[in-house]
Amino acid sequence: KAGVTQTPRYLIKTRGQQVTLSCSPISGHRSVSWYQQTPGQGLQFLFEYFSETQRNKGNFPGRFSGRQFSNSRSEMNVSTLELGDSALYLCASSPGLAGGPVDEQYFGPGTRLTVT
Amino acid sequence: GQNIDQPTEMTATEGAIVQINCTYQTSGFNGLFWYQQHAGEAPTFLSYNVLDGLEEKGRFSSFLSRSKGYSYLLLKELQMKDSASYLCAVYMDSNYQLIWGAGTKLIIKP
Repeated sequence: KAGVTQTPRYLIKTRGQQVTLSCSPISGHRSVSWYQQTPGQGLQFLFEYFSETQRNKGNFPGRFSGRQFSNSRSEMNVSTLELGDSALYLCASSPGLAGGPVDEQYFGPGTRLTVT
Repeated sequence: GQNIDQPTEMTATEGAIVQINCTYQTSGFNGLFWYQQHAGEAPTFLSYNVLDGLEEKGRFSSFLSRSKGYSYLLLKELQMKDSASYLCAVYMDSNYQLIWGAGTKLIIKP
């Protein structure tokens, strides 16, 4: 079974630009969660999608948005990039049958975003 | 607010035993995860504790005390490949979110 894939793996953008990151979950998984990881901060939860609906959202500004398609693939968008958005963005998939990410999550390799 | 504490870094010797602690203060608790993350790689699942007590999986064991808001990950017979960051995360059924600690970087020396 193929794992979680994320594209692109690396991205360099300038302040003010926007970016879209993509995540393809494991086949059969309906839940996709997005996280931001920075040194010393750990994983910060962005949002979770299940069956094309945002089921849960973390405490990030509205510049961070996402969506999920009927094939469970998910995209995350960050508009008006700031220097502080430089981080590793991870997505994780799970079967999602429970009410939230209580299942074991399978993480993708991440997209490393650098904002200059 | 939600708070999860782990030591930032620990050092241990190959073949030894190490215990990585995680304390949490969260509103709503359903269980606690441990993940391993090697440098430059994605986190991988190690364990999920819901009930108090010790769960053993080969060289790795995880313990939970809900009344004390405390968990630990015990690694035995340490190998060089165990050098990684270990993340604990609390699943809160109050808002269906995972709250993550900052991770403990474990360094194994020969």
